[in-house]
Amino acid sequence: AQSVAQPEDQVNVAEGNPLTVKCTYSVSGNPYLFWYVQYPNRGLQFLLKYITGDNLVKGSYGFEAEFNKSQTSFHLKKPSALVSDSALYFCAVRATTGNQFYFGTGTSLTVIP
Amino acid sequence: EADIYQTPRYLVIGTGKKITLECSQTMGHDKMYWYQQDPGMELHLIHYSYGVNSTEKGDLSSESTVSRIRTEHFPLTLESARPSHTSQYLCASSAGVQLFSYNEQFFGPGTRLTVL
Repeated sequence: AQSVAQPEDQVNVAEGNPLTVKCTYSVSGNPYLFWYVQYPNRGLQFLLKYITGDNLVKGSYGFEAEFNKSQTSFHLKKPSALVSDSALYFCAVRATTGNQFYFGTGTSLTVIP
Repeated sequence: EADIYQTPRYLVIGTGKKITLECSQTMGHDKMYWYQQDPGMELHLIHYSYGVNSTEKGDLSSESTVSRIRTEHFPLTLESARPSHTSQYLCASSAGVQLFSYNEQFFGPGTRLTVL
């Protein structure tokens, strides 16, 4: 079955430390991969996406993600976390064929001052 | 400024009432979507539209209905609200020819609905 998984419901990290939010996927064919962030009482905001090309993708607010085809992963990273990064993070995937699109269940990131 | 709007932001209403959640976008996108977001965060697609006069039901069964008479407008209606409809409703739009293309979706701020 095609899907996307975020294995951690909650991630806590100290301010200034590097952060990683994990995402793995399962789709037929090559994927389009996305990360979105949701702040309290707001809609989702696009952070970055992988379509093709360089496996390391850079996005908004200093975030980046690495596409790893062999591990079917697309983990979100940031070298130095800020308290303002505390939010919900959603990974999403679409196969390059068909119309199916899948959001992960979300990971709540808390950056501790 | 190109954006996507939802009104109302918050709505508390009694059982049996008819409600319409408004969604408008100024980006000229053909593709529009409605998601229902559980209190626990997960998003479920309930409706989508390829363009004017085109609407489809999504993955999650919903008692709501939608219409798409104008490109910019994609309202969602509940004919008779029930407590089980209490949730956050997110509207989104995207550019491109395909549904869920490689283009990202733009989301509105959401409507938090509570049915008493």
